[in-house]
Amino acid sequence: GNSVTQMEGPVTLSEEAFLTINCTYTATGYPSLFWYVQYPGEGLQLLLKATKADDKGSNKGFEATYRKETTSFHLEKGSVQVSDSAVYFCALSDLREGDDKIIFGKGTRLHILP
Amino acid sequence: DAGVIQSPRHEVTEMGQEVTLRCKPISGHNSLFWYRQTMMRGLELLIYFNNNVPIDDSGMPEDRFSAKMPNASFSTLKIQPSEPRDSAVYFCASSRDRAKEQYFGPGTRLTVT
Repeated sequence: GNSVTQMEGPVTLSEEAFLTINCTYTATGYPSLFWYVQYPGEGLQLLLKATKADDKGSNKGFEATYRKETTSFHLEKGSVQVSDSAVYFCALSDLREGDDKIIFGKGTRLHILP
Repeated sequence: DAGVIQSPRHEVTEMGQEVTLRCKPISGHNSLFWYRQTMMRGLELLIYFNNNVPIDDSGMPEDRFSAKMPNASFSTLKIQPSEPRDSAVYFCASSRDRAKEQYFGPGTRLTVT
């Protein structure tokens, strides 16, 4: 079945550092890929998405490229801010599996120090 | 546009009491999902509906949990009787089409004492 594996946290960085959160997936079809962010005390919010190979999703300075050859969708940001402290979830959906569900990773907690 | 609305935001109840959580999805969305989030187990899908019909309830932990969606704009998740291990944040999410991105509500923090 489909699955998502993302790097375990917490990840602690200083402000303005470069961020990478790794995500790899297993899918039998051609899934859509997502990154969600959860700020303290809030629900998950869609951060960015990519629906086909080589697509790059981007939002708020974050980027992720759908790499079919490495089955990866790593999240990157060139210069993080304290306000980026949150939990980040990688996720996939694959309608060809006949399923409406989104499969979420376990989440990676990010701490940014001023 | 209003997002997904959940009520109540916080619920504190005693063991054995009935708890009802409510959700209003985004207008025009035809899929609705109930999740539970805890530190120990992370984010778990409990049940989801498509066009008001339950599609997969395999994540519902036990018979004490039930969910309904009587119309396109309202869903409930009921726990009866509640137990301390049910303490968690419960999220509702909706999506426009099957397997498209989901939009989450702010959650209901449930504490069962």
